[in-house]
Amino acid sequence: QKEVEQNSGPLSVPEGAIASLNCTYSDRVSQSFFWYRQYSGKSPELIMSIYSNGDKEDGRFTAQLNKASQYVSLLIRDSQPSDSATYLCAATGYGGSQGNLIFGKGTKLSVKP
Amino acid sequence: EAQVTQNPRYLITVTGKKLTVTCSQNMNHEYMSWYRQDPGLGLRQIYYSMNVEVTDKGDVPEGYKVSRKEKRNFPLILESPSPNQTSLYFCASSFSGLGVMSSYNEQFFGPGTRLTVL
Repeated sequence: QKEVEQNSGPLSVPEGAIASLNCTYSDRVSQSFFWYRQYSGKSPELIMSIYSNGDKEDGRFTAQLNKASQYVSLLIRDSQPSDSATYLCAATGYGGSQGNLIFGKGTKLSVKP
Repeated sequence: EAQVTQNPRYLITVTGKKLTVTCSQNMNHEYMSWYRQDPGLGLRQIYYSMNVEVTDKGDVPEGYKVSRKEKRNFPLILESPSPNQTSLYFCASSFSGLGVMSSYNEQFFGPGTRLTVL
């Protein structure tokens, strides 16, 4: 299994719906997990970080981490056309390194008006 | 304005001609990192630096060098570029290392450098 895997999409949802983005990871990643958003032609920007099992909410975004099943997800409630972007899941590398960051290939989200 | 800057933003060069892409941050961040982004391969880490004079390999370090002589600067050096290094490069920085479980690990990315090696 690749270290961080995401469905490349595209994922298409209607405006106002919940968008669900999923990411699975292998034993070769460590404790810190991140969701980045990247608009076309732009740099990635951090949306959420999560470190412990359970849910973490920030506005319309909720990150979920399940270490037993090795997945992390991002829910976007009340999706807006401005949420259309590629979402990157990332995790720190295994071995206690605080510097190594491994990205998934990203899921492209399209929110239709 | 707090930012990460990269220069040049666009570069077309030829195989074997040494080049340096500069990265500078004005946020007094300890951690800096270089990534390359390629279609179908996603974002991959090249090198990172936890602090001045401390650098370490990421997942794709072959063909690249870095140095961290000052806290604010983290240049990426391609001693002998090859066509397979044609890519979009991003520099990023954060206050702390990424394993620190707080907002200090938020990475700020530069605007990117699009490199073409002929």
